[in-house]
Amino acid sequence: EDKVVQSPLSLVVHEGDTVTLNCSYEVTNFRSLLWYKQEKKAPTFLFMLTSSGIEKKSGRLSSILDKKELFSILNITATQTGDSAVYLCAAGTYKYIFGTGTRLKVLA
Amino acid sequence: GAVVSQHPSRVICKSGTSVKIECRSLDFQATTMFWYRQFPKQSLMLMATSNEGSKATYEQGVEKDKFLINHASLTLSTLTVTSAHPEDSSFYICSARGDRDLSEQYFGPGTRLTVT
Repeated sequence: EDKVVQSPLSLVVHEGDTVTLNCSYEVTNFRSLLWYKQEKKAPTFLFMLTSSGIEKKSGRLSSILDKKELFSILNITATQTGDSAVYLCAAGTYKYIFGTGTRLKVLA
Repeated sequence: GAVVSQHPSRVICKSGTSVKIECRSLDFQATTMFWYRQFPKQSLMLMATSNEGSKATYEQGVEKDKFLINHASLTLSTLTVTSAHPEDSSFYICSARGDRDLSEQYFGPGTRLTVT
């Protein structure tokens, strides 16, 4: 059965801290791993990872994929209160399986 | 960037009635649209995949007669929840995929359905 597991389930940090979110996957057909940020409504796209070992960066966020060990991490440095959200990862090809998410709360 | 809209954003209906939710890709042609359901504090669960002009493919455990999907054009897909019951109350989100990048999906803002 295809599955995507995220850890930790929730996390509380203070502004300025660095956090690492984990995503492991077991899917029958894998092409890409996607990271999304979900606040109150629909998820917003962060990264798409297709190749192993190549870090993608966007400001304070970065992510990397390990296709051998079947996992990805999302790093957020110098966290801000606006980073508080649920972070979702999804793995698959044209059809994606989503993890249950990591709920991040950043305290001022 | 690609924009996907959903209508309505929120709907309350009585048990036994049917509700239609629209998903539109505003600035690109969506050959494939996906419908997800999300219960509180849970992740997105894929319900079905619809391709323009063909029948939708439903995930295991999703009743196709209850959740009718129509993808009549390259910019519009509809989900109709028939004979809705309180347990159908959920957040329904669609996503759309164009031709340029087959891996990336663009999500609509979601529709909160409450069945009383």
